[in-house]
Amino acid sequence: GQNIDQPTEMTATEGAIVQINCTYQTSGFNGLFWYQQHAGEAPTFLSYNVLDGLEEKGRFSSFLSRSKGYSYLLLKELQMKDSASYLCAVMDSNYQLIWGAGTKLIIKP
Amino acid sequence: GAVVSQHPSRVICKSGTSVKIECRSLDFQATTMFWYRQFPKQSLMLMATSNEGSKATYEQGVEKDKFLINHASLTLSTLTVTSAHPEDSSFYICSASRLAGGPDEQFFGPGTRLTVL
Repeated sequence: GQNIDQPTEMTATEGAIVQINCTYQTSGFNGLFWYQQHAGEAPTFLSYNVLDGLEEKGRFSSFLSRSKGYSYLLLKELQMKDSASYLCAVMDSNYQLIWGAGTKLIIKP
Repeated sequence: GAVVSQHPSRVICKSGTSVKIECRSLDFQATTMFWYRQFPKQSLMLMATSNEGSKATYEQGVEKDKFLINHASLTLSTLTVTSAHPEDSSFYICSASRLAGGPDEQFFGPGTRLTVL
């Protein structure tokens, strides 16, 4: 079956760095997405990785290793507004998104 | 660019009534639209995928007669929850993609919170 694993919850301090991991087992691979979702709101797109390596976009970076079925989202210089759920999703061979359950990130002052 | 709107944002209805939710892509043509349901503290659950002009493809366990999806144009899809019951209360989110069967990000609407009394 298809499976996406990410931690349920993480806590970090304002100004610090946090890494949210995601491992996956899917039938085929056409890219991995990270989305941010604030409580009661729809997800917003953060990043897309289809090749191995690190993609940097401001304070957020996303890494992919296809051979390991592994990705992480790195958030630097954490701000209180970064408190949200972070969803990892993999696009399988049918171009269908398989969603992880999300990681709730709590930022403390 | 790539803005998706949803209407209404919140709806409260009585058990047994039907509710229609609209999803519009405002500045692009959405070849494919997706409907998700999200219960509190849970991840997104894909309900169905629809391509313009064709019947929607429903996920296993989703009743097609209860959740009617119409994707009549490249900018509009509607989800009608028929004979709603309290267990249908949830956050319904649509998303749109510019491609059909290709690697494109999904642009999400703001969601509709449905409460069935």
